[in-house]
Amino acid sequence: SSELTQDPAVSVALGQTVRITCQGDSLRSYYASWYQQKPGQAPVLVIYGKNNRPSGIPDRFSGSSSGNTASLTITGAQAEDEADYYCNSRDSSGNHLFGGGTKLTVL
Amino acid sequence: QITLKESGPTLVKPTQTLTLTCTFSGFSLSTSGVGVGWIRQPPGKALEWLALIYWDDDKRYSPSLKSRLTITKDTSKNQVVLTMTNMDPVDTATYYCARNAMVRGVMPFDYWGQGTLVTVSS
Repeated sequence: SSELTQDPAVSVALGQTVRITCQGDSLRSYYASWYQQKPGQAPVLVIYGKNNRPSGIPDRFSGSSSGNTASLTITGAQAEDEADYYCNSRDSSGNHLFGGGTKLTVL
Repeated sequence: QITLKESGPTLVKPTQTLTLTCTFSGFSLSTSGVGVGWIRQPPGKALEWLALIYWDDDKRYSPSLKSRLTITKDTSKNQVVLTMTNMDPVDTATYYCARNAMVRGVMPFDYWGQGTLVTVSS
């Protein structure tokens, strides 16, 4: 089915590592992109493709993929990383999909 | 510097047609591999992809909304227009436009507008 599934909420202690996952059949064929969204702001691309970071994104953000699951890992989470994170991919028809989002809390 | 900005009505009545314009700068929609898409977000809810138009005028629509959506481009004006018919209160959302560009074999939405809140109410 053309859906991307994310855990609704994840928490991490300050300075620790957290993995946010995204599952969907389309991920077997197409890489995911990941977006960070803070309250009242537009989403920001943080990871795309196999493991690529746009300019200005800290290297504590990384991506990986296996089978039908894509993951976003934050190594050494900071307070400013508290946000909603969305995965995005496309399907074989060229249509795009977004996951339901994961709310990350940094404790 | 790449920028995108959405414009259009902030309030529409049920059954009316919504027309939103995305005006962009810093890139051309005639460049191979480039597209502009629309994504919306109801208050407190997740992002939902709506439509996408590519440099070659190829168009893609969300299957669930396809019958209500039309996306067009004016390359000379650097604008992309989205129309959505038969608006309903459930369509109340912030509407974003974003650039979609081929980068290392992937097509992420790499630049986003600030979004525009559209409220559907009588």
